[in-house]
Amino acid sequence: EAQVTQNPRYLITVTGKKLTVTCSQNMNHEYMSWYRQDPGLGLRQIYYSMNVEVTDKGDVPEGYKVSRKEKRNFPLILESPSPNQTSLYFCASSLYQGSTNEKLFFGSGTQLSVL
Amino acid sequence: LAKTTQPISMDSYEGQEVNITCSHNNIATNDYITWYQQFPSQGPRFIIQGYKTKVTNEVASLFIPADRKSSTLSLPRVSLSDTAVYYCLVSSLLVQGAQKLVFGQGTRLTINP
Repeated sequence: EAQVTQNPRYLITVTGKKLTVTCSQNMNHEYMSWYRQDPGLGLRQIYYSMNVEVTDKGDVPEGYKVSRKEKRNFPLILESPSPNQTSLYFCASSLYQGSTNEKLFFGSGTQLSVL
Repeated sequence: LAKTTQPISMDSYEGQEVNITCSHNNIATNDYITWYQQFPSQGPRFIIQGYKTKVTNEVASLFIPADRKSSTLSLPRVSLSDTAVYYCLVSSLLVQGAQKLVFGQGTRLTINP
């Protein structure tokens, strides 16, 4: 089944403790991206990747890192999480990023709480 | 880059047609309009996409006027299972060739019996 898989679904951590949220897609998509969803703010893009080893900042990249060493994986890294990073995170992918009519496929989300 | 504006919430009843309008005044020539549906505890799911005039698929229709400054998602004969948040999205291309996606705040649609 074609899907985007995120892990974990729920994560509670403490301020300053490094964490990684994994994202994997099995559709051979070139484009992958991370979003955070907060009440009243909708979905905001954190980082995106156009292909392996090619990443760039989205609208709210501060406090996050990403890497794209393989086409299928795009982990989100929080080196020193802070309470303002408590949010619902989504990973998404699409076949290609060179046009404006791509369809995004989203993962099921990771609810992160930073205490 | 186009900013999208949509109603925060809407209510309707089973069997009714629901229309949700999104405003995107600064839409550019090559931008597409896409609508996504999101249920609680799930990621958004693609519903429909269009560039101009009318597009219809098995679940919805999308109406885009000639000036493309707005779009209307139409859900025919809604049921309780259509209760969800609906996002309007305008996708643009940046100079470096990357896709820029601007999500609206979403419309929370509640369908009542």
